Amino acid sequence: GAVVSQHPSRVICKSGTSVKIECRSLDFQATTMFWYRQFPKQSLMLMATSNEGSKATYEQGVEKDKFLINHASLTLSTLTVTSAHPEDSSFYICSARLSGGNSPLHFGNGTRLTVT
Amino acid sequence: GNSVTQMEGPVTLSEEAFLTINCTYTATGYPSLFWYVQYPGEGLQLLLKATKADDKGSNKGFEATYRKETTSFHLEKGSVQVSDSAVYFCALSELYTGNQFYFGTGTSLTVIP
Repeated sequence: GAVVSQHPSRVICKSGTSVKIECRSLDFQATTMFWYRQFPKQSLMLMATSNEGSKATYEQGVEKDKFLINHASLTLSTLTVTSAHPEDSSFYICSARLSGGNSPLHFGNGTRLTVT
Repeated sequence: GNSVTQMEGPVTLSEEAFLTINCTYTATGYPSLFWYVQYPGEGLQLLLKATKADDKGSNKGFEATYRKETTSFHLEKGSVQVSDSAVYFCALSELYTGNQFYFGTGTSLTVIP
C-alpha cells in the first residue's frame, strides 16, 4: 500500500514553455502532498506543501508564481513549472503520507526536467 | 531546531563487507526516525523506521537502532551486495514541528564485486 505515482518520469522542454508534473496517491487519500527538488548529488530541498482544496505553502526562496501547485482532489497534486529556464532543470520529487504523527513519507519516482 | 547529520560519502565497499552509515540528529521533542534509499534515477523508498527510543528498525538485512542517549540512528548491514549501491538518507519527523520531515544530505554507497 501507500503507492505514489509521478508522471512524467522525464521531460525535455524549450526555454519559455511550461511543464506540468502530476503526482497521484494510488491507494490512499492524501490531504497533504509535498514537492521536493533535488540537485545533483545533493539532498532534497522542500519546495512547497500542497494542501487539498487550499493554497500551497511555499518554502522561503521558492517563487510561487513560477512553480504553480494545484491540489484539486485527495489523490492528485500537480506542479507546473511556468516559463521554464535552463536553471530550472532538476529532479523533482513528490511525496505524500497516509496520516500525520509517525507515518513515513512515500515518494514518487521523480521527474527529470531538462530545459534546453 | 531540528536537523539531521549524516556521514559524508561516497562510501565504497567490497561485496560482503560490513556497512555502517552514521546518522545523528537534533530535535526539540521526540522524533520518529527513518532511513530512505534512492536508487539511480528514482525517487526515495522507505527502508526502515523507528518511532521511539530503543526501537530497532530492520528491512532487507539493514538495521538501525534509535539511541536517544547518543541522539543517533546509525544504519548497518552485515554483508552488502552490489545491488545495495544507492544513496541513503537519514530523516526525522517530529510532532512539535508539524511533522515536517528533515533530511540528511545523503550518503552514496557503491559496492564493488
